[in-house]
Amino acid sequence: DAGVIQSPRHEVTEMGQEVTLRCKPISGHDYLFWYRQTMMRGLELLIYFNNNVPIDDSGMPEDRFSAKMPNASFSTLKIQPSEPRDSAVYFCASSLVSSDTDTQYFGPGTRLTVL
Amino acid sequence: KNQVEQSPQSLIILEGKNCTLQCNYTVSPFSNLRWYKQDTGRGPVSLTIMTFSENTKSNGRYTATLDADTKQSSLHITASQLSDSASYICVVGSFQKLVFGTGTRLLVSP
Repeated sequence: DAGVIQSPRHEVTEMGQEVTLRCKPISGHDYLFWYRQTMMRGLELLIYFNNNVPIDDSGMPEDRFSAKMPNASFSTLKIQPSEPRDSAVYFCASSLVSSDTDTQYFGPGTRLTVL
Repeated sequence: KNQVEQSPQSLIILEGKNCTLQCNYTVSPFSNLRWYKQDTGRGPVSLTIMTFSENTKSNGRYTATLDADTKQSSLHITASQLSDSASYICVVGSFQKLVFGTGTRLLVSP
């Protein structure tokens, strides 16, 4: 299996522009997570899906952020409009089942820079 | 407030030496504690997962311990290798609500 796939790997944009990050989870995994990582705050869960349905979006920082999962093999995280403080590495992860001992598999991340 | 604190923030050791990383947490509800390894420019990779009833778990040269009473965990790395240079992240909570520490950055020097 190719693992979790994210695109693009790097994104540089100007403040106010729309940014769309993409994720393809591991085939057969029912759970998909979006995280953000910064030096100051470490990794933070933004939202997660179960069977394509958003379950918990309490980590989404504000209305400028939105996430969708139209099917089992694709998810997007959109920021509109983007701001410099959104600069971070965004990770997508997937997991097979809902278990306290189940492993989340992370993608390589998208490094976002908002100028 | 749910918190996971790791120490030290960074560490340099010589290749072949052992080291221990610390994790203290105040997280509720607690059902599992995980250690992740994150290489520069990559996503985290799971090393160990422990439930509250387990007090030690090994993965090759990595051994994690958990004391649920004192809310402390440690990750011991034996006979370090250059490839161990990475950030190590302690993660605590339940499946749906994990709280991440900010990590310990380890550099193994030849």
